[in-house]
Amino acid sequence: DGGITQSPKYLFRKEGQNVTLSCEQNLNHDAMYWYRQDPGQGLRLIYYSQIVNDFQKGDIAEGYSVSREKKESFPLTVTSAQKNPTAFYLCASSPRTHQETQYFGPGTRLLVL
Amino acid sequence: QKEVEQNSGPLSVPEGAIASLNCTYSDRGSQSFFWYRQYSGKSPELIMSIYSNGDKEDGRFTAQLNKASQYVSLLIRDSQPSDSATYLCAVRDDKIIFGKGTRLHILP
Repeated sequence: DGGITQSPKYLFRKEGQNVTLSCEQNLNHDAMYWYRQDPGQGLRLIYYSQIVNDFQKGDIAEGYSVSREKKESFPLTVTSAQKNPTAFYLCASSPRTHQETQYFGPGTRLLVL
Repeated sequence: QKEVEQNSGPLSVPEGAIASLNCTYSDRGSQSFFWYRQYSGKSPELIMSIYSNGDKEDGRFTAQLNKASQYVSLLIRDSQPSDSATYLCAVRDDKIIFGKGTRLHILP
């Protein structure tokens, strides 16, 4: 079954804690993306990666970090520096770069305790 | 600042009627245009992509693109209650920019 998986579905963060959201794809896509969606808002790009061991900041990268050690995996860490982390986080992938249609995983909803 | 604008809605349409969703974009250099459907609490799902001026039909869905006027629209024929969702317009130039979406409500 090809696709994009994200885990967990819900994640709770305590004050001052770093948390990591998982994103895995078996579509053999080169490019992967992380977006944040707030209620009534569009998708905002956090980070993207076009190739293994390389990634670029998106529009709202502050307070977040990523890694791309494997083609299939693009985890996102929400650090304690992100003061307003409550949102719906969406991972996407595309065959190459922004030049291709993006397909989304099911999302992770992050809540602050 | 490149922008993609959509009416937030809600747009209410009777079941069986045609739903018309509109989107305008600011960058004349935009090359590709996409419509995604997003059910509440779920991730966006690609419905249509369109790259050249004119109409593109896929089942009950028709995407229309007018690059001169910088707008793209989505028509849904024979609207069903299952079409009730938020529809996101996305425009690609050097990267993809998403609109905030239009909430569509199909009235049974």
